[in-house]
Amino acid sequence: NAGVTQTPKFRILKIGQSMTLQCTQDMNHNYMYWYRQDPGMGLKLIYYSVGAGITDKGEVPNGYNVSRSTTEDFPLRLELAAPSQTSVYFCASTDPGNTIYFGEGSWLTVV
Amino acid sequence: GNSVTQMEGPVTLSEEAFLTINCTYTATGYPSLFWYVQYPGEGLQLLLKATKADDKGSNKGFEATYRKETTSFHLEKGSVQVSDSAVYFCALGNRDDKIIFGKGTRLHILP
Repeated sequence: NAGVTQTPKFRILKIGQSMTLQCTQDMNHNYMYWYRQDPGMGLKLIYYSVGAGITDKGEVPNGYNVSRSTTEDFPLRLELAAPSQTSVYFCASTDPGNTIYFGEGSWLTVV
Repeated sequence: GNSVTQMEGPVTLSEEAFLTINCTYTATGYPSLFWYVQYPGEGLQLLLKATKADDKGSNKGFEATYRKETTSFHLEKGSVQVSDSAVYFCALGNRDDKIIFGKGTRLHILP
């Protein structure tokens, strides 16, 4: 009963490095999302996808890229990491009834 | 466009007090409404949901009624416990559109 799986759970990056946060769901959901949550704050939508091959920007897309080559996978790419990208990242997907399922989160620190 | 507005926190209550967290929405059509809870250090979990007007969602002693006439989905609990301390997010899901979250309300319960 995997649901939404994201990796890694924790990562420390140096300024200017790049990395990819992986996200996979096994529920055949069309909609997938990436959010970031800064300490003590709410969720901010980075990117979302309505299906394979289709992605769209959310509120805070700058500094990130996504792709959606399959229904299952929705990786988030950070290029040239900056301290402002220190945050917790959540991947999510929604079922046809719009219930959203979250991954467990990825804690990213940029130093 | 769709939007969700929830009361700002933090909300601090004593154990066994009555809780209300207000949530109002703006949407076209007939959205589904949700409350999610985030305990410290964890991801978001679905607390309850309602899919049509006058539906009441309930779980763990929490309730919320989908009021179309007032475009509201207020979260209530008759007697809160210390273990209810968390951040609560109201959310809206509309057919063929992305999920919209409120900014979250932090709840502190004092023993």
